[in-house]
Amino acid sequence: GNSVTQMEGPVTLSEEAFLTINCTYTATGYPSLFWYVQYPGEGLQLLLKATKADDKGSNKGFEATYRKETTSFHLEKGSVQVSDSAVYFCALRGNAGKSTFGDGTTLTVKP
Amino acid sequence: DTEVTQTPKHLVMGMTNKKSLKCEQHMGHRAMYWYKQKAKKPPELMFVYSYEKLSINESVPSRFSPECPNSSLLNLHLHALQPEDSALYLCASSQGLAGTTDTQYFGPGTRLTVL
Repeated sequence: GNSVTQMEGPVTLSEEAFLTINCTYTATGYPSLFWYVQYPGEGLQLLLKATKADDKGSNKGFEATYRKETTSFHLEKGSVQVSDSAVYFCALRGNAGKSTFGDGTTLTVKP
Repeated sequence: DTEVTQTPKHLVMGMTNKKSLKCEQHMGHRAMYWYKQKAKKPPELMFVYSYEKLSINESVPSRFSPECPNSSLLNLHLHALQPEDSALYLCASSQGLAGTTDTQYFGPGTRLTVL
C-alpha cells in the first residue's frame, strides 16, 4: 500500500532561519503530492501541491519539488517567521479517493 | 472560493445523546469526506461520498452514521458514543475521486468531547 514518511519533530528554529522538513513516499502509480499546514485549533489548509515528477509547488515562501528518482517531496522555506509555527503534514493522493498522510511535523519558530 | 464550512465548532455530549455534525461546500465538488483526528496525529479517513453515494466506509462503528442529503451537504449523525470518540472531526471535499490530481479542501473541524 501507499505510505508517507516525514521527518520526526518537533522542530524548533529561530526567526529567519532556513527550514527543511523531509518527506519520502511509497506509492503505486503516479500519485499527486501535497503539503498541508494545521494551526492550533484549526483544520488542515492546503499549502502547496505537485502533480507530476519535477513539478515544483510553491506558496507563501514555501517550496517543494516532486522528485520521483528519490521518491521525495521535501518542504523548504528560506526564512521562517513566528507565524509559521504549526504542524505540517505531507500527503499523497492515490487512486479511489484515498489520501495517505505522514505523521506530521510540529514546527516552532522563536523570535 | 475554496471554503468548506462545519458546524458546530465545538460539541460536548453524553454517551446517551444523539447529535449531528454538519458540513457544507459550494465549490461544486462531487466528493465529500469525513475524517477523525486525534491530538498530534494525522487525520484518519472514516467515510467517502461520491455523487451523493457512500463510496468508502473504513470499517467505522455503526454509532457513526453519515448522510449526504445533496451535493453540497454532508452530515455525520452520532449516537451512543464512547469517551474515546472524542476528537477533531474534519470534513473535506474534492472535485471528484477518479483523478489523483484532485485536491482535497478541508473545513475547520468540529471539536467533539464525549463525557
